[in-house]
Amino acid sequence: KAGVTQTPRYLIKTRGQQVTLSCSPISGHRSVSWYQQTPGQGLQFLFEYFSETQRNKGNFPGRFSGRQFSNSRSEMNVSTLELGDSALYLCASSTGQGFYGYTFGSGTRLTVV
Amino acid sequence: DQQVKQNSPSLSVQEGRISILNCDYTNSMFDYFLWYKKYPAEGPTFLISISSIKDKNEDGRFTVFLNKSAKHLSLHIVPSQPGDSAVYFCAASAPGSQGNLIFGKGTKLSVKP
Repeated sequence: KAGVTQTPRYLIKTRGQQVTLSCSPISGHRSVSWYQQTPGQGLQFLFEYFSETQRNKGNFPGRFSGRQFSNSRSEMNVSTLELGDSALYLCASSTGQGFYGYTFGSGTRLTVV
Repeated sequence: DQQVKQNSPSLSVQEGRISILNCDYTNSMFDYFLWYKKYPAEGPTFLISISSIKDKNEDGRFTVFLNKSAKHLSLHIVPSQPGDSAVYFCAASAPGSQGNLIFGKGTKLSVKP
């Protein structure tokens, strides 16, 4: 069974630009969650999608958005990048029903210069 | 306000000995707790979980203990191996949290041969 695939693995962007990250969940998993990991704040929840609907959202500004497609693949977009957005962005997939284990991808390392 | 705390940023243990990683939480609504292991440049890997209705769960060399009255859980690794060297994260989930795992800041475990 293929794991959670995140692309690209590394990105360098300039302040003010926007970026889109992609996450392909494990086959059959309908829930995708996104997290930001920074040295200072640790792992923080961004949002969760299930069957193309956002079910939950963390405490991040509106510049951070996401969507999920009918095949459960998800994208995350950050607009008007700031230096503080430099982080490892992780997605996790699960079945989305009941209590469920979360399987993480390897992440996308975003550097904003 | 940190709801999940791992107060030891690092821990060093001799190979073959027991490693004990600790985690405290403040939210009594949490009903599932998980431990993840993370290597640099990779996503977190699920290790073991425990429901709030249990006080112990074992899986091979890994045992998690939950003390609800103290709002404390611990992960025991016996015997510790050099390959266990990684950052360990404690995470918690509340009912209906839909993808929102609350993570501690992690403990870096070093197992010395």
